[in-house]
Amino acid sequence: QSVLTQPPSASGTPGQRVTIPCSGGTSNIGNHYVYWYQQLPGTAPRLLIFRNYQRPSGVPDRFSGSKSGTSASLAISGLRSEDEADYYCAVRDDSLSGVVFGGGTRVTVL
Amino acid sequence: VQLVESGGDLVQPGKSLRLSCAASGFIFHDYAMHWVRQGPGKGLEWVASINWNSDSIHYAESVKGRFTISRDNAKNSLYIQMNSLRPEDTAFYYCARDILRNSAYEFDHWGQGTLVTVSS
Repeated sequence: QSVLTQPPSASGTPGQRVTIPCSGGTSNIGNHYVYWYQQLPGTAPRLLIFRNYQRPSGVPDRFSGSKSGTSASLAISGLRSEDEADYYCAVRDDSLSGVVFGGGTRVTVL
Repeated sequence: VQLVESGGDLVQPGKSLRLSCAASGFIFHDYAMHWVRQGPGKGLEWVASINWNSDSIHYAESVKGRFTISRDNAKNSLYIQMNSLRPEDTAFYYCARDILRNSAYEFDHWGQGTLVTVSS
């Protein structure tokens, strides 16, 4: 059971906006940067959002991150079929070594 | 940037295994490195980190005392020695590059992973 809570699944039709929440606490999200990783089927994860809302080069601006208090979210606007993947939030935690990942959310494009 | 893991295998519980990660396309000694694993059908779990000169090393509680992370900057390689393996250690093991010399826990490049299966 992760200290970061994500819904196991989310879905939308092409063109829709999908939002994935990541809920934590004061020792993690409330005190540290949030990162988001995308894992396409059968591939390694890739960095999607860093330091709460910043996008690495090559990541479309359809992906956006936000953080408020002890929660964060990833939004995918203009959903496309190639966005079908698992999405993980990740944060440092003051009471744990290293970084903790959320349980992951599988996004399905209907 | 390329990270290529190797060494994954089927091993019996209680046995040992050493994984390697060959790095290329960047100045290896300028970056901290990590191991992250993913059990079959499960989520991601950070395993261990090592800073650029190996003087700062950290482990997840689940592997502390059993796994040892190391690096050889002359060979552009990262390693993890896994002892006393348990069935719950079964996973794909990814090496991941940090963005800084000392861990920021921000993983900007990942390898393709190597599979470790612990079973009798």
